[in-house]
Amino acid sequence: AQSVTQPDIHITVSEGASLELRCNYSYGATPYLFWYVQSPGQGLQLLLKYFSGDTLVQGIKGFEAEFKRSQSSFNLRKPSVHWSDAAEYFCAVGPISNFGNEKLTFGTGTRLTIIP
Amino acid sequence: DAGVTQSPTHLIKTRGQQVTLRCSPKSGHDTVSWYQQALGQGPQFIFQYYEEEERQRGNFPDRFSGHQFPNYSSELNVNALLLGDSALYLCASSLTGDSTGELFFGEGSRLTVL
Repeated sequence: AQSVTQPDIHITVSEGASLELRCNYSYGATPYLFWYVQSPGQGLQLLLKYFSGDTLVQGIKGFEAEFKRSQSSFNLRKPSVHWSDAAEYFCAVGPISNFGNEKLTFGTGTRLTIIP
Repeated sequence: DAGVTQSPTHLIKTRGQQVTLRCSPKSGHDTVSWYQQALGQGPQFIFQYYEEEERQRGNFPDRFSGHQFPNYSSELNVNALLLGDSALYLCASSLTGDSTGELFFGEGSRLTVL
């Protein structure tokens, strides 16, 4: 069975500081990994995804993530956070077949607070 | 280009009642998935509809059912509501055969069961 663990429930970072959100996964095959962001009262927006190839992937809003197979991790990073980055962040894993995206398993999320 | 739209945005029901939530997928998309997001949790997959049929289902009881219409819009029905059904219900749409795997989410319907 597939699962995702986000060990940090809540992280507080100063504006302009760097950020790393942790994600560990369990998956029986080659994982397809995603990071989504959810602002209050909003749906989920895709930040970035990893399917194969280069293990460092770039996303929107200046975010990047690195896939490490040996550690079963897919950590999200940003070199300098902005106040607008305050939100809930979700890591997800799922199968992608010829059909497309079949279903995603999400972690419990990390709430990011930015202090001035 | 309209994204995924859901209605209603908020609703309150009492235990034992039934609820219907609606979703219109992003233009050009033909597959709709439903997720339940309880407070403080990540979304959990309920089921996915394609060609008006349930293609996949997560670990949810039969009280949760759905429907997809010829125009690809979808409904989620929950019968015999329990307090534990209180959650944000998210609809996501995608295009069959899209190897990018991207899901587009709506803003959700927040259901409160009293």
